[in-house]
Amino acid sequence: GQNIDQPTEMTATEGAIVQINCTYQTSGFNGLFWYQQHAGEAPTFLSYNVLDGLEEKGRFSSFLSRSKGYSYLLLKELQMKDSASYLCAVRSMNSGYSTLTFGKGTMLLVSP
Amino acid sequence: DVKVTQSSRYLVKRTGEKVFLECVQDMDHENMFWYRQDPGLGLRLIYFSYDVKMKEKGDIPEGYSVSREKKERFSLILESASTNQTSMYLCASSFEGQGDLGTSGGVYNEQFFGPGTRLTVL
Repeated sequence: GQNIDQPTEMTATEGAIVQINCTYQTSGFNGLFWYQQHAGEAPTFLSYNVLDGLEEKGRFSSFLSRSKGYSYLLLKELQMKDSASYLCAVRSMNSGYSTLTFGKGTMLLVSP
Repeated sequence: DVKVTQSSRYLVKRTGEKVFLECVQDMDHENMFWYRQDPGLGLRLIYFSYDVKMKEKGDIPEGYSVSREKKERFSLILESASTNQTSMYLCASSFEGQGDLGTSGGVYNEQFFGPGTRLTVL
């Protein structure tokens, strides 16, 4: 089966840097996604890693280590609008189909 | 821009009613998915479809069925709604395939989500 762990909640201050960790155990691994979800809204795609290493996209970066089953999302220069839930999702390939398994999400609260 | 729409944002039904949730995408995606999202449990996959008239069970298919008669439309059906099906239902779609294996500038084939339907079963 699939198992994805991420912290339930984190708090940070505007302008700071925060790292949200995600660990996973899965079979048929085929990529890891991070999504952002504001309260009452749909999840929106942030980043994707399939090979080991760091992907940088503006203020957001995501890292993957496949051997450790570990990823993190790094948010720099935090803004109030970054207050949201961040979802780690692993894509796996089983029986010819690819599906996403989501972690429970990390609620990030950014304070002034 | 990819657009995934769902028929209702809020829905209130009574126990035992048959409930239809509709999802439409306009990007010619092969894959479509239905999830439910509950506090403390996250997003869980109910059913998915990789082609017209094809369907596969996800992690929690019990009490649900689906229909995909056209490529752009994927319906979730609750044959006899129960109170434990009160939840936020999210539809998503994506292109087929695993995307580019490169880490940058690649094609991710990520899932695009609709706005969700908050269903309350009384």
